[in-house]
Amino acid sequence: EDQVTQSPEALRLQEGESSSLNCSYTVSGLRGLFWYRQDPGKGPEFLFTLYSAGEEKEKERLKATLTKKESFLHITAPKPEDSATYLCAVRLGGGADGLTFGKGTHLIIQP
Amino acid sequence: DADVTQTPRNRITKTGKRIMLECSQTKGHDRMYWYRQDPGLGLRLIYYSFDVKDINKGEISDGYSVSRQAQAKFSLSLESAIPNQTALYFCATSEANEKLFFGSGTQLSVL
Repeated sequence: EDQVTQSPEALRLQEGESSSLNCSYTVSGLRGLFWYRQDPGKGPEFLFTLYSAGEEKEKERLKATLTKKESFLHITAPKPEDSATYLCAVRLGGGADGLTFGKGTHLIIQP
Repeated sequence: DADVTQTPRNRITKTGKRIMLECSQTKGHDRMYWYRQDPGLGLRLIYYSFDVKDINKGEISDGYSVSRQAQAKFSLSLESAIPNQTALYFCATSEANEKLFFGSGTQLSVL
């Protein structure tokens, strides 16, 4: 069964304090790993897609990396506006469609 | 205007009532999805559609039905609402095997 597990569930950092969020997955034949950001009361907003082990992508203070079993979202020198829930998802294998999501990491950046 | 529009934004209904949530998109994508989000459970796929004539059940389709009226319109119905269907519902669209674009969500409360 395809599974996506994110850790930690919640993380509180001081402004400027770098850290990493983890997403481990078990899926037969990965067809893409996706990172989204979600603000309270809003829909998830796309950040990155990674397809193969060793791939990395960056956007401002965020960098996503991928291995054969997990992905990391590195946050460098975060600001309060980076506070949000970060969601990881994998594309289902076989003939099915849609993304299977983890439960998310709730990130709070304190000034 | 938003690319993926959901109506209504909020809805309160009573147990046993029939309710429809609507979604329209201007992105020209063939694939559309309905997810629900519950605290602690994350996003779960209800139904997805490859095109107007191709509709498929997701992980949690029991108690729900859908209709794809056109390429741009995908509605979700609860034939007889029950309290455990209280959740935040999201519609999404995508190109084949690409990232999903989400609407702003419908908060549904079943009393």
